[in-house]
Amino acid sequence: DAGITQSPRHKVTETGTPVTLRCHQTENHRYMYWYRQDPGHGLRLIHYSYGVKDTDKGEVSDGYSVSRSKTEDFLLTLESATSSQTSVYFCAISDSSGAREQFFGPGTRLTVL
Amino acid sequence: KNEVEQSPQNLTAQEGEFITINCSYSVGISALHWLQQHPGGGIVSLFMLSSGKKKHGRLIATINIQEKHSSLHITASHPRDSAVYICAAYGGATNKLIFGTGTLLAVQP
Repeated sequence: DAGITQSPRHKVTETGTPVTLRCHQTENHRYMYWYRQDPGHGLRLIHYSYGVKDTDKGEVSDGYSVSRSKTEDFLLTLESATSSQTSVYFCAISDSSGAREQFFGPGTRLTVL
Repeated sequence: KNEVEQSPQNLTAQEGEFITINCSYSVGISALHWLQQHPGGGIVSLFMLSSGKKKHGRLIATINIQEKHSSLHITASHPRDSAVYICAAYGGATNKLIFGTGTLLAVQP
């Protein structure tokens, strides 16, 4: 298995609070992605990174920000969590663009009350 | 209309049956991925293909680029194959993976 961890694995928070999710990899892959998974929807891309300090928006980026100060870490921040951000969040890594295989982390279940 | 559509959404089979899951896409692609997600579990990549057919154990994936269609077959299905199977197309205007909503497979003993 690719070395990808996510923390925390579960979190319950209240509306309006800031939340940061961490993705950590030991594979030295260039590309890192944050997805959310909701019933009735496929995985949807929130933000992605193509290198240290290089990030770009995905299709559902509103309300989220990201940072990548080191190759191994990709942080997803909800500045002011809302109930619509209740979801399961997956991090993925790849050594190239999407035409190559992506390896997924175990997921973080976030509940915003 | 979703750019990537899977059918069926739900599938129940008896152990030993041959299973087919279909994926149709409307975008031009350079690769198609099949992924597996066990209940409450992580997501694992099964195949990535851009033409023809790939086989791994009891799993076979095929793609027809002209018809914009891919299939995932499972031979001699087993209860441990019970999972959600997801196809994802890479390409199109965004050059990102576009995911289908998944097919929930239950294989009964």
